[in-house]
Amino acid sequence: DTAVSQTPKYLVTQMGNDKSIKCEQNLGHDTMYWYKQDSKKFLKIMFSYNNKELIINETVPNRFSPKSPDKAHLNLHINSLELGDSAVYFCASSPGTGFVGELFFGEGSRLTVL
Amino acid sequence: TQLLEQSPQFLSIQEGENLTVYCNSSSVFSSLQWYRQEPGEGPVLLVTVVTGGEVKKLKRLTFQFGDARKDSSLHITAAQPGDTGLYLCAGPSSNSGYALNFGKGTSLLVTP
Repeated sequence: DTAVSQTPKYLVTQMGNDKSIKCEQNLGHDTMYWYKQDSKKFLKIMFSYNNKELIINETVPNRFSPKSPDKAHLNLHINSLELGDSAVYFCASSPGTGFVGELFFGEGSRLTVL
Repeated sequence: TQLLEQSPQFLSIQEGENLTVYCNSSSVFSSLQWYRQEPGEGPVLLVTVVTGGEVKKLKRLTFQFGDARKDSSLHITAAQPGDTGLYLCAGPSSNSGYALNFGKGTSLLVTP
């Protein structure tokens, strides 16, 4: 039973399109994250939600909109996709409240924008 | 943002060799974590170090946290092909205790 699952695993789309990536965790964790890993493997925090509330919003274009319908789900919607959005997007969760413990990552969603 | 610098960026060695990778910062961290990421997968936690000067061992992997809690190292003894992967160090963000900031990683290739 996968702890943190993301769909889709691969996404190929044209510039200007809108796409969504879904994430679910069955670990009972309070905090969920979206990270972006670029072509040089640098992993950068985008958003963090704690109990459905947005707590971190790094410098990310407002074309990216996270949504957390409940504490087990954190989805990422991207509008007007650009070439530079091509990357691997990782969802993660952690049990910590007030501090970050171990991050449990999904397998990643590779987005390619043509 | 607290920067974590990792070195070397790439390392290619033969099976049986020893190696050390480094994670350095000008900032003090309450803790540092090491993750390993294999191709097509997400990072997986190897260890968390909390106390300055702490040494932790995980089979052939030895992790050390600097006395001043600004740096850490990972030493692998007698590397094996299964050790191949991207090694990432991470520390709590100064902006929020809820997130981790990652270094840029050391990509290790161990050939038979």
